Amino acid sequence: GAGVSQSPSNKVTEKGKDVELRCDPISGHTALYWYRQSLGQGLEFLIYFQGNSAPDKSGLPSDRFSAERTGGSVSTLTIQRTQQEDSAVYLCASSSGTGTIYGYTFGSGTRLTVV
Amino acid sequence: ILNVEQSPQSLHVQEGDSTNFTCSFPSSNFYALHWYRWETAKSPEALFVMTLNGDEKKKGRISATLNTKEGYSYLYIKGSQPEDSATYLCALPMNSGYSTLTFGKGTMLLVSP
Repeated sequence: GAGVSQSPSNKVTEKGKDVELRCDPISGHTALYWYRQSLGQGLEFLIYFQGNSAPDKSGLPSDRFSAERTGGSVSTLTIQRTQQEDSAVYLCASSSGTGTIYGYTFGSGTRLTVV
Repeated sequence: ILNVEQSPQSLHVQEGDSTNFTCSFPSSNFYALHWYRWETAKSPEALFVMTLNGDEKKKGRISATLNTKEGYSYLYIKGSQPEDSATYLCALPMNSGYSTLTFGKGTMLLVSP
């Protein structure tokens, strides 16, 4: 696509429910990243995909968080048994390369509110 | 863990003022520095990538400098306009292998007409 697309843009869920966040990167971008920003915090790295594999998932905060990427394209971040501390803006980004000079193209994010 | 500090946390200026803010980082193992602008309700947008000590980049009224020896970068905005209101983020790659970026908390700029 022309840009990075994320859905839904907003999600309100009850504590304990599972949620799925979707990211559709720019076509041809092999690198895909998930970050989140909680209130008052900076952007926190969650997971990095190169193609369909995830060489770095060190930022996933607990085993309730998982992510997959299929066909080298769409990625889904799943949060099981959501907690209030999971409330944040979840950003997806993709990149055409993986060297240190390659910047990201971000989606507009999913605002997750756990009530 | 890479420590990226940005200051000030927030800034409120009047239209027409020039302003600047700072990104500080460890000077050892420097690879590159990225600046982004994040307007409310929009996606963060890449501004600059800087790699060499003494680098200067410019885009319209926004410019940036880099000092890798002392570990800082300045972002300048000349003649601020209300549309410059945004959070400005700097980010550095954690290693030389791939480009996972560590972000600072950002400087939130508000420009009043």
